[in-house]
Amino acid sequence: DGGITQSPKYLFRKEGQNVTLSCEQNLNHDAMYWYRQDPGQGLRLIYYSQIVNDFQKGDIAEGYSVSREKKESFPLTVTSAQKNPTAFYLCACTGVDSGANVLTFGAGSRLTVL
Amino acid sequence: KNEVEQSPQNLTAQEGEFITINCSYSVGISALHWLQQHPGGGIVSLFMLSSGKKKHGRLIATINIQEKHSSLHITASHPRDSAVYICAVRGAGNQFYFGTGTSLTVIP
Repeated sequence: DGGITQSPKYLFRKEGQNVTLSCEQNLNHDAMYWYRQDPGQGLRLIYYSQIVNDFQKGDIAEGYSVSREKKESFPLTVTSAQKNPTAFYLCACTGVDSGANVLTFGAGSRLTVL
Repeated sequence: KNEVEQSPQNLTAQEGEFITINCSYSVGISALHWLQQHPGGGIVSLFMLSSGKKKHGRLIATINIQEKHSSLHITASHPRDSAVYICAVRGAGNQFYFGTGTSLTVIP
């Protein structure tokens, strides 16, 4: 079955450390996204990529970095510059399946800074 | 200002009740998605609408493009419907805008 795989599901980080969250999709979709979810708030866009080797900053990109070296992979690095990184992170992709535009999410990664 | 507004924020219903969740948006869209998020986090797409109405089991979604409004209805609600329901719209350039979600609790 096609879908998005995020890992790890839970991650603990000490202050000052960089961590990388993995996002892999086998849907052959071009566009991929990283969102951050905090309690009581809607999903906020961190970065998105419409095509391999190209990505754009979202609304809250400071303290994060991404790469898109392969169509199926869009890893997110949370750097030590991100002041409040504890949150739930969701990866998504969108593309055409059976003639319809579909939006698919991964199961999420919960990052806690100790 | 939020591009997508949902109401109500929280909703508690008795099992069997008919439930409506509303979504209004302020941007031009090519499609609207209704999403479901259970505790533990993963998000599932329930519907994608660009016009009219869609039905899947006990769930019905409608959209009025002129009024920039959509509703999600759940008939004969069940405790397993308890989740957060999120309205998302697809704008220009494959950008998505999300509501803050409606937390639904269905009591047996």
